[in-house]
Amino acid sequence: QSVLTQPPSASGTPGQRVTISCSGSSSNIGRNTVNWYQQLPGTAPKLLIYSNNQRPSGVPDRFSGSKSGTSASLAISGLQSEDEADYYCAAWDDSLNGWVFGGGTKLTVL
Amino acid sequence: QVQLQQSGPGLVKPSQTLSLTCAISGDSVSSKSAAWNWIRQSPSRGLEWLGRTYYRSKWNNDYALSVKSRITINPDTSKNQFSLQLNSVTPEDTAVYYCARTYGGNNDYWGQGTLVTVSS
Repeated sequence: QSVLTQPPSASGTPGQRVTISCSGSSSNIGRNTVNWYQQLPGTAPKLLIYSNNQRPSGVPDRFSGSKSGTSASLAISGLQSEDEADYYCAAWDDSLNGWVFGGGTKLTVL
Repeated sequence: QVQLQQSGPGLVKPSQTLSLTCAISGDSVSSKSAAWNWIRQSPSRGLEWLGRTYYRSKWNNDYALSVKSRITINPDTSKNQFSLQLNSVTPEDTAVYYCARTYGGNNDYWGQGTLVTVSS
């Protein structure tokens, strides 16, 4: 059972906008920033969004993040077939004194 | 550009010790701005943080409660790398193991991953 809660799946058609939610608690998302990762099959997670809403160099601006209270969201606009992947949220947990992750959301581009 | 290169066996027998190494290039294991983590991923447990080592004015370690009695993470400054040792493994420890750097509040660089299977 993951500490952060994500929907197991999401889907959309090319060009659509999709959002993925991540719910936590006061000890993790409520106090610390949220990061999002994209994982393609057979590869390591890749940092997609950091500090709630910042994109590393090279990440398209189609990807955006937000946080409110103990929840966060990842939005993908102008959906493309190459966006089909697993997406994970993560945050530091002050009570557990460690990183916690969501269970992952499998995004399907129909 | 930071690169993390993992090495270690892919098969470990039950009750034995799992040992992996993560070699760092483009940064230093002794950096006062970074922390060096081990994270694993399995279908049953998802992504699970195991622990980290980091240097500020001295070496520090933090470990996940789920493995605290069995885990050691050590830096090796002479080789600019860090290692994971997980004792008394069971089939439940079968997973893909990753090393990762924490910098600026996020895990920005990850190793390539090592599938470790615990089986006799």
